[in-house]
Amino acid sequence: AQSVSQHNHHVILSEAASLELGCNYSYGGTVNLFWYVQYPGQHLQLLLKYFSGDPLVKGIKGFEAEFIKSKFSFNLRKPSVQWSDTAEYFCAVNAWSDYKLSFGAGTTVTVRA
Amino acid sequence: DTEVTQTPKHLVMGMTNKKSLKCEQHMGHRAMYWYKQKAKKPPELMFVYSYEKLSINESVPSRFSPECPNSSLLNLHLHALQPEDSALYLCASSQGTGWSGGNEQFFGPGTRLTVL
Repeated sequence: AQSVSQHNHHVILSEAASLELGCNYSYGGTVNLFWYVQYPGQHLQLLLKYFSGDPLVKGIKGFEAEFIKSKFSFNLRKPSVQWSDTAEYFCAVNAWSDYKLSFGAGTTVTVRA
Repeated sequence: DTEVTQTPKHLVMGMTNKKSLKCEQHMGHRAMYWYKQKAKKPPELMFVYSYEKLSINESVPSRFSPECPNSSLLNLHLHALQPEDSALYLCASSQGTGWSGGNEQFFGPGTRLTVL
């Protein structure tokens, strides 16, 4: 079974600062990788996903993530955050042959105006 | 239509009540899921249906009873719940495993359940 670890529990930053959230997974086979965001009081939304191909993927709202296979990592980045990026961020991994989507513990991101 | 819908949005029930949560998708997906999510925690998988058959039960207590009447609908029947069962219940659907496009799960908005 795969497991996912997110490096930061809570990140606080100011508007216009850059954001990077770490995600590592443990699974030796082919995986699908996802970042989800959950704004306060709202449901899960997909930010971006990686299945194959270019390891640098771009998502919605200016987010991007890089898959580094050798490091089993899928880190999320945004060059300049806004107050509206305040949310809970979840990294998730799904083995190609498995139904189960394994989530990391989540990172709370607070952006101060 | 890339939407998963869930009803009701909110539900308050007593410990002796029987209620049901409903989920619907019209994307032709063959797999459907129930998750439970507590505040600021990741979703926890409860059940997976594949081609309308229960594929995974993550040792969920029997007071939660899933049902898949057809390929578009998923229900979760609730009976004799405990206050600690209060949570956001999420439904999701996906194409299924082994799909070349990946097993992306599409999540519904959830039902916020409060057990008194």
